Amino acid sequence: EADIYQTPRYLVIGTGKKITLECSQTMGHDKMYWYQQDPGMELHLIHYSYGVNSTEKGDLSSESTVSRIRTEHFPLTLESARPSHTSQYLCASTGSPGYEQYFGPGTRLTVT
Amino acid sequence: AQSVTQPDIHITVSEGASLELRCNYSYGATPYLFWYVQSPGQGLQLLLKYFSGDTLVQGIKGFEAEFKRSQSSFNLRKPSVHWSDAAEYFCAVGAFGNEKLTFGTGTRLTIIP
Repeated sequence: EADIYQTPRYLVIGTGKKITLECSQTMGHDKMYWYQQDPGMELHLIHYSYGVNSTEKGDLSSESTVSRIRTEHFPLTLESARPSHTSQYLCASTGSPGYEQYFGPGTRLTVT
Repeated sequence: AQSVTQPDIHITVSEGASLELRCNYSYGATPYLFWYVQSPGQGLQLLLKYFSGDTLVQGIKGFEAEFKRSQSSFNLRKPSVHWSDAAEYFCAVGAFGNEKLTFGTGTRLTIIP
């Protein structure tokens, strides 16, 4: 069973606030990913990391930023939240040599 | 570039009936194929995967999928659905050397008594 955690699970916050969504995994996986998913919609990759100090932007442009200082931790930050950031954010990881990704439970963000 | 098509946005099935969810992919080489399930408000759970070998793969919760190279398909099947199978199902494709997955748009499964 995959052990990947996201906090908070739900967040309602006002416009202009800075927020950090946490993602941690205990599997020692090198590769981690952030997806954005609107209700009933497909997943869009917004950031990924192939290891410590390695981060790349994904296919969907996002105003968020990420960091990877420790293998197990891959936080996502929004410096100034806006209503357009309202969405579900899913974190995933995968180890080598496998390619299947393991997902956390997600953070549902609402910006008012 | 790789791509995935799930032609059915929403499928409704009676409890106990059989199920087939369609997935078509586009990729030049041998793809790695996955099916995930997502319950409301949850993350995605891996149902099954295909890398190579036997084209009929078994997964969790009684699901299976068949890889058909000639049709570029990887359809998900279950002989008898249960009410707890109601969820969103995503097909995904990857490839050797490319550890980013491409997901389909998902199929919502509704189960009626």
